[in-house]
Amino acid sequence: RKEVEQDPGPFNVPEGATVAFNCTYSNSASQSFFWYRQDCRKEPKLLMSVYSSGNEDGRFTAQLNRASQYISLLIRDSKLSDSATYLCVVNAGANNLFFGTGTRLTVIP
Amino acid sequence: DAGVIQSPRHEVTEMGQEVTLRCKLISGHNSLFWYRQTMMRGLELLIYFNNNVPIDDSGMPEDRFSAKMPNASFSTLKIQPSEPRDSAVYFCASSPAANNEQFFGPGTRLTVL
Repeated sequence: RKEVEQDPGPFNVPEGATVAFNCTYSNSASQSFFWYRQDCRKEPKLLMSVYSSGNEDGRFTAQLNRASQYISLLIRDSKLSDSATYLCVVNAGANNLFFGTGTRLTVIP
Repeated sequence: DAGVIQSPRHEVTEMGQEVTLRCKLISGHNSLFWYRQTMMRGLELLIYFNNNVPIDDSGMPEDRFSAKMPNASFSTLKIQPSEPRDSAVYFCASSPAANNEQFFGPGTRLTVL
């Protein structure tokens, strides 16, 4: 079983739509969680950390459910510029950092 | 700040040749990570260093791969001999500390023919 599982998509949504991605992790001892964004042929960049209480940054909301071992990313009012691959990242401690394979999002005009 | 610097950006080589990838950390960072990304396997951690010391190399696929950090700001990843299945994008990332945000370099796109 993979450490981190993501739906690869692709998700094709119209501009203005709300879209949500989920990611599950297998190690219950995981300590920190992140969402990274990767544009085509570019490097991954941190989008946001995920805190236990959930956190919001503009149109983006991240949530963590430790009991069910999943994290989510919600994007409201999608923009064309949101088109990218979103990587779920889980740190199980001692820097055992695991990346999901990514969920590809395309926002359509 | 220039960010993480990787060279070369693209490398095309023939099977059996030695390949050396280079990475310069962001000044002040003390953790360095080497990743490999392919369509099939996604982003995989190969090895990481903390304060120039290799901490975990369990992701290094086999003995053909080796990584060094001769000083606090520079690292190399060497593949010898290279094989077509090594074709991938190799990213280097640095971090101020092991559990902090990682900053990725632009990657080296390696093609082994």
